[in-house]
Amino acid sequence: GQNIDQPTEMTATEGAIVQINCTYQTSGFNGLFWYQQHAGEAPTFLSYNVLDGLEEKGRFSSFLSRSKGYSYLLLKELQMKDSASYLCAVPLRAGKSTFGDGTTLTVKP
Amino acid sequence: DGGITQSPKYLFRKEGQNVTLSCEQNLNHDAMYWYRQDPGQGLRLIYYSQIVNDFQKGDIAEGYSVSREKKESFPLTVTSAQKNPTAFYLCASSIVGLAGGNEQFFGPGTRLTVL
Repeated sequence: GQNIDQPTEMTATEGAIVQINCTYQTSGFNGLFWYQQHAGEAPTFLSYNVLDGLEEKGRFSSFLSRSKGYSYLLLKELQMKDSASYLCAVPLRAGKSTFGDGTTLTVKP
Repeated sequence: DGGITQSPKYLFRKEGQNVTLSCEQNLNHDAMYWYRQDPGQGLRLIYYSQIVNDFQKGDIAEGYSVSREKKESFPLTVTSAQKNPTAFYLCASSIVGLAGGNEQFFGPGTRLTVL
């Protein structure tokens, strides 16, 4: 089976850096996704990691360690609009994905 | 503009009634998915389809039904057998790849409230 764990909530200050962690246990591994979801809206794709290491994309970076079953999303220079839920997801062979419950990030002035 | 649409955005139904949620995509994706999201929770897979005229149950299929008669369309029916149908429903689509690492594109969602 699949099991994904993320912290439920995090709070950070505008302009700061925040790291959102995700641990997973899967019977197979086909990479890991991060999605952003603003309240009441659809999730949107942020990143996909399949190899170990850090992938940087502007203010957002995502890290993966396959041996540790661990990933994190790093958000730099936080802005108020970054307040959202961040979902970690692991794709399965059939094309479907298993999603974590999400981490709700609140950015304060 | 390519995308995925869901309608309606808000839907109210009386207890005991069936209701069908629409999902259409013009991204030429083979795979389509239906998720349910409850407050403060992640996405739970209801049904998915990788090809026309074929679909598979997800983790919480009881009380739901789907059809996939066209590549572009994947409607979800919430039946009266679903005990707690009030939720936010999200439809998604993706290409079908060998390794499964294909991002999903989501529609705007339908918020269903049972009165």
